[in-house]
Amino acid sequence: GAVVSQHPSWVICKSGTSVKIECRSLDFQATTMFWYRQFPKQSLMLMATSNEGSKATYEQGVEKDKFLINHASLTLSTLTVTSAHPEDSSFYICSAPDRVLGTEAFFGQGTRLTVV
Amino acid sequence: QKEVEQDPGPLSVPEGAIVSLNCTYSNSAFQYFMWYRQYSRKGPELLMYTYSSGNKEDGRFTAQVDKSSKYISLFIRDSQPSDSATYLCAMSVGNTGKLIFGQGTTLQVKP
Repeated sequence: GAVVSQHPSWVICKSGTSVKIECRSLDFQATTMFWYRQFPKQSLMLMATSNEGSKATYEQGVEKDKFLINHASLTLSTLTVTSAHPEDSSFYICSAPDRVLGTEAFFGQGTRLTVV
Repeated sequence: QKEVEQDPGPLSVPEGAIVSLNCTYSNSAFQYFMWYRQYSRKGPELLMYTYSSGNKEDGRFTAQVDKSSKYISLFIRDSQPSDSATYLCAMSVGNTGKLIFGQGTTLQVKP
């Protein structure tokens, strides 16, 4: 199956700093990628849809200025958590749709963000 | 009310048991139904994918969809300790790529 690589797998940062998370489709092109957040023992919540060459679409309640998404190429989407606070600590996961299914069949490994 | 409801468990079974995992949903427009397996601190892995109602079998796994009852199930036969993980159901309305996930059920298979 297709591979989606996410980096870093974990990061610890100080409050007020920004953190960038990368999501790459390694062997296929992804015009769309999705970013999720998962709190402990909770489900994946869709944050935004990343669209290559255009603005991301954010879900209701997600701050656009805080979670900056850039999808500059067909194989790379980035999520930048700006001015991070401890409540932003979570597990962030990206995914890219399977070209046949058209749904997000392939997920990255996830990034554990801890803000101290 | 959440769009997708899933009992978080935990569910503990002995090795070799048949496991039944279930989700209910409220949006009758859902057409695509998926089951993912997630190990701790890893991204979800697609296990089964079903379109509309019916059964689908893949090895030890069987997925069932009952759209009239808005109920989906995943059965695991001859469960193994390596099946211990969190199982997430997910659904989408169309081929939009936007998935709605259940909370996930934590399964432990004891040797």
